[in-house]
Amino acid sequence: GAGVSQTPSNKVTEKGKYVELRCDPISGHTALYWYRQSLGQGPEFLIYFQGTGAADDSGLPNDRFFAVRPEGSVSTLKIQRTERGDSAVYLCASSLTSLRFNEQFFGPGTRLTVL
Amino acid sequence: QKEVEQNSGPLSVPEGAIASLNCTYSDRGSQSFFWYRQYSGKSPELIMFIYSNGDKEDGRFTAQLNKASQYVSLLIRDSQPSDSATYLCAVTATTDSWGKLQFGAGTQVVVTP
Repeated sequence: GAGVSQTPSNKVTEKGKYVELRCDPISGHTALYWYRQSLGQGPEFLIYFQGTGAADDSGLPNDRFFAVRPEGSVSTLKIQRTERGDSAVYLCASSLTSLRFNEQFFGPGTRLTVL
Repeated sequence: QKEVEQNSGPLSVPEGAIASLNCTYSDRGSQSFFWYRQYSGKSPELIMFIYSNGDKEDGRFTAQLNKASQYVSLLIRDSQPSDSATYLCAVTATTDSWGKLQFGAGTQVVVTP
């Protein structure tokens, strides 16, 4: 596709449930990033992949959060035992590489609401 | 102290005037600097990037970088109502994690006709 796509666009779940958020990067982009954004704040880094491997997962808040990118393209962010504090917009971005100079392009985001 | 700081605004700018946005960062090792525009309810859109000290112009936008003073700014010339949005400053975190962007909280710009 022309841009980064994310599914679903909205997800409402109950506290304690498991959710998966999917990201499909721009074709040819080897690097993929996950951020989350709360109202009135800038995006907060979670994790990024260069190819299939997680190059930096220092932003994952705890072990309930996990992300994979098994074939170096599509990525899935997985959240176990969701909490109300996990409610946010989850943004995915991609770039040609993750080297020194890289421009990241964002998808439309998934709005997660935990009731 | 936040690592990337921006004035939250709102910054009210008359149509046709210049909007000036500032951003300071704390990591002296930062190498890459980006400005994103975010309309309400939408995702961030990349509008400028700058890697070297000095000015970089692209249409009505000019980014300015001063690494010694650790600030980056964005000028929007001939501001239009369609420029009304939140502008996010983003900086690469450290030399060993080029992909990790740190964002400011954004400056809201309101262009008044």
